[in-house]
Amino acid sequence: NFMLTQPHSVSESPGKTVTISCTGSGGSIASNYVQWYQQRPGSAPTTVIYDDDQRPSGVPDRFSGSIDSSSNSASLTISGLKTEDEADYYCQSYDTNNPWVFGGGTKLTVL
Amino acid sequence: EVQLVESGGGLVKPGGSLRLSCVGSGFSFTNAWMSWVRQAPGKGLEWVGRIKSETDGGTTDYAAPVKDRFTISRDDSKNTLYLQMNTLKTEDTAMYYCTALLDALDYWGQGTLVTVSS
Repeated sequence: NFMLTQPHSVSESPGKTVTISCTGSGGSIASNYVQWYQQRPGSAPTTVIYDDDQRPSGVPDRFSGSIDSSSNSASLTISGLKTEDEADYYCQSYDTNNPWVFGGGTKLTVL
Repeated sequence: EVQLVESGGGLVKPGGSLRLSCVGSGFSFTNAWMSWVRQAPGKGLEWVGRIKSETDGGTTDYAAPVKDRFTISRDDSKNTLYLQMNTLKTEDTAMYYCTALLDALDYWGQGTLVTVSS
């Protein structure tokens, strides 16, 4: 079965750049699109990246997504960090057995 | 504006049943693939299941922990998605979110809380 692994937490200062990784195992991460969801405390998730690197309208261009086949991983990069970016971030992709597979989530602290 | 509003959550005893609803507006509900995702308290996101549009066959898929206990259905005339949950277990306690897949982008509702406890 395909699985996605994320770091439990990351932290960075306002104005800096942070990258959250999402490593696939049991299959190639490049075989299916990856999505990234942001979940602020007490709120529902929202999509910040879809189809590996596409940004929904309304999501700032400080958010970007990429895929690295050599490391079998996806990455979410947030530049010019703001305190409002503090949230949990989840990567998600697809598997033949479970149409949706989620990473465990990464807690981003902006301090 | 795309809106998804879930309802039907509440407190239920182990072994009981509950039906959740999700009403969509601001988009073509008929053409959307709809899913349910849950989140246990303090935990990560877990996919529950999905239903394709009728145009794409209207078929359903379920995660292993809920297969044979949960049933997803849709009423396109009412723009409504359902999740029938039977034989509920304490580990089904979670916030349940519905999502709509539109042009490769998933939209999320605000969720409804299900608590399974004696």
